[in-house]
Amino acid sequence: DIQMTQSPSSLSASVGDRVTITCRATQSISDYVNWYQQTPGKAPILVISTASTLQSGAPSRFSGSGSGTDFALTISSLQPEDFATYYCQQSYNIPFTFGQGTKLEI
Amino acid sequence: QVQLQESGPGLVEPSQTLSLICSVSGGSISDTTFGYYWTWIRQHPGKGLEWIGYIYHSGSAYYNPSLKGRVTISVDTSSNQFSLELTSVTVADTAVYYCANSLAARLGFDPWGQGTLVTVSS
Repeated sequence: DIQMTQSPSSLSASVGDRVTITCRATQSISDYVNWYQQTPGKAPILVISTASTLQSGAPSRFSGSGSGTDFALTISSLQPEDFATYYCQQSYNIPFTFGQGTKLEI
Repeated sequence: QVQLQESGPGLVEPSQTLSLICSVSGGSISDTTFGYYWTWIRQHPGKGLEWIGYIYHSGSAYYNPSLKGRVTISVDTSSNQFSLELTSVTVADTAVYYCANSLAARLGFDPWGQGTLVTVSS
């Protein structure tokens, strides 16, 4: 299985900050990475697909980058509604796997 | 926009079979414009996400090998639903179970159902 390792596991930041979450795969996966946002008690929401494609309805302050084994999710200016847990997910090989999550806290 | 809703028992006894249904609204499950991959994902309490498997619109299904042949996903086009069966459950199968859709496997899962908590306990 392809393992996805996120860094950091948790992150404290303030409204207006720029933050970056990274995700590393155990093998090259091209751009087959997706990013999700999850708030407590809710289902995850797809924010970025195929490494850098912003989903319809997602704010433009979210961006994704990377290819191969190293990927990043950047939020350019944190808003109160962005404090959540973020997961990366590889869609290169079955079984699809997720990172362990990054909790973004105020 | 297609919407998904999970339903099923919230409590299952150990060694029994967990059965969940995902009801699809806003479109036909047979209509591939809504997506090809009808998916189940679970989240253990306070933990990360685990892909269980999906069924392709053609009827072919793919499962996570970690579930060791205990899982079956099927589609009922007449009811516009797809289902999950997980046999021989243990307390380790206690989780929130989500159904989700994907237009193409590489594009990620969107949308998701709200999730349903299934507890395995006697």
